[in-house]
Order: sequence, then structure tokens, then C-alpha cells
Amino acid sequence: RKEVEQDPGPFNVPEGATVAFNCTYSNSASQSFFWYRQDCRKEPKLLMSVYSSGNEDGRFTAQLNRASQYISLLIRDSKLSDSATYLCVVTPGTGFQKLVFGTGTRLLVSP
Amino acid sequence: DVKVTQSSRYLVKRTGEKVFLECVQDMDHENMFWYRQDPGLGLRLIYFSYDVKMKEKGDIPEGYSVSREKKERFSLILESASTNQTSMYLCASSDTGSNTGELFFGEGSRLTVL
Repeated sequence: RKEVEQDPGPFNVPEGATVAFNCTYSNSASQSFFWYRQDCRKEPKLLMSVYSSGNEDGRFTAQLNRASQYISLLIRDSKLSDSATYLCVVTPGTGFQKLVFGTGTRLLVSP
Repeated sequence: DVKVTQSSRYLVKRTGEKVFLECVQDMDHENMFWYRQDPGLGLRLIYFSYDVKMKEKGDIPEGYSVSREKKERFSLILESASTNQTSMYLCASSDTGSNTGELFFGEGSRLTVL
């Protein structure tokens, strides 16, 4: 079983739609969780951290479910510019030196 | 702005050649990383370094070595390139004092081994 699993998509949604991605992780000792965004032919960049209490940043909401070992990303009112690959990232334990990346979920937002 | 610069965006090498990939960061970060990214496999950690002259193996170190002689520079070396090392190589850095461990990536080096 992969340490971090994501649906590769693509998720095709119209502008204005709400879309959600899940990511499951296998190591119950995982401590920190993140979503990174990677545009086509670009490097990944941190989108947001995922806290136990959940967190929101504008149209983006991230949640953590430790009991079921998954994290989620919800995007409301999708924009064309949200089209990208969203990478789920987990730290296997304490410290940030060995992040484990999922393979990513591709989102395509159409007019 | 944090800047991570990789020396070559595109390289084409022949099997058996020695390949150097250079990475420089300008934010005085302690940690530096080399990943490779392949379709369907995502980013996989090759090596990382948390200090000058220190290095740790990642998940797929075979066929690679690294060098960190200065804090700002982290080099990836393929002693004898093979076709299965054709990939996108991404360098990253992070600050030990960060409360998120945010990785800052370079733009990547696409290596093709013929």
C-alpha cells in the first residue's frame, strides 16, 4: 500500500463549481499534513497546511480526519486559474525533513 | 522572495556519462533536498542534507550521490547515467525553524538519458 494515495483525476468542473479531493495516508504516526499545488510544467508550491481543527483560506478549506486517516481539500467557486495538480503531502513522524508526496490529483476548470 | 535556482533546465546525456545537477538557494536554509518526479509515481526523495557536508539517503538513492560543500549549494551526481534515470529532477530547500517545513522548489531539471 502506498504511504499517500490520491485519485489522479482529472476532475473536470465548470467555473463556479465546488470540488473536493481526498487523500489517504497509511502511517498513523503521521504528524503534519499539507496541500501543495503544481501548475503544468512548474514546480510545486505550498497551498496550505492542514490542521487538526481544519482550516480555511479564502475559497479553500482543508480538513484532517485522523480516525480514518485522510485529509481533504475543498475548493469553492472554482476559477479557471485553479486548474492544476494538487499534491497531498504528509510527514511520517515529527520533523519536516522527509515529506512524503502523493502522486497528485489533477483539476481542470472549464469556462 | 526565496529563490532556488537549478543550473540546467534541460539536459540530454548518453548512457554511462557522468552528470552533475547543481542547485543554489539564497535564503540561508539549512535543509536541501533532491527529488525526482515521474508520471504516476509522484515526487520521490533521492537525498537530503540538513547541514553542510551532511547528507541522508532518501527513498531512492541508488545510482546517485550528492555533495554539499557550502550551505547554499547542493549538487546531485549521477556517476554513470542510465536510461531509467530519465526524469524531472527537483531541488528544494527549507528552513529548520519553519513551523510548516515549507519546501521551496527550483524550476526543475529535465534529464534525458539516451
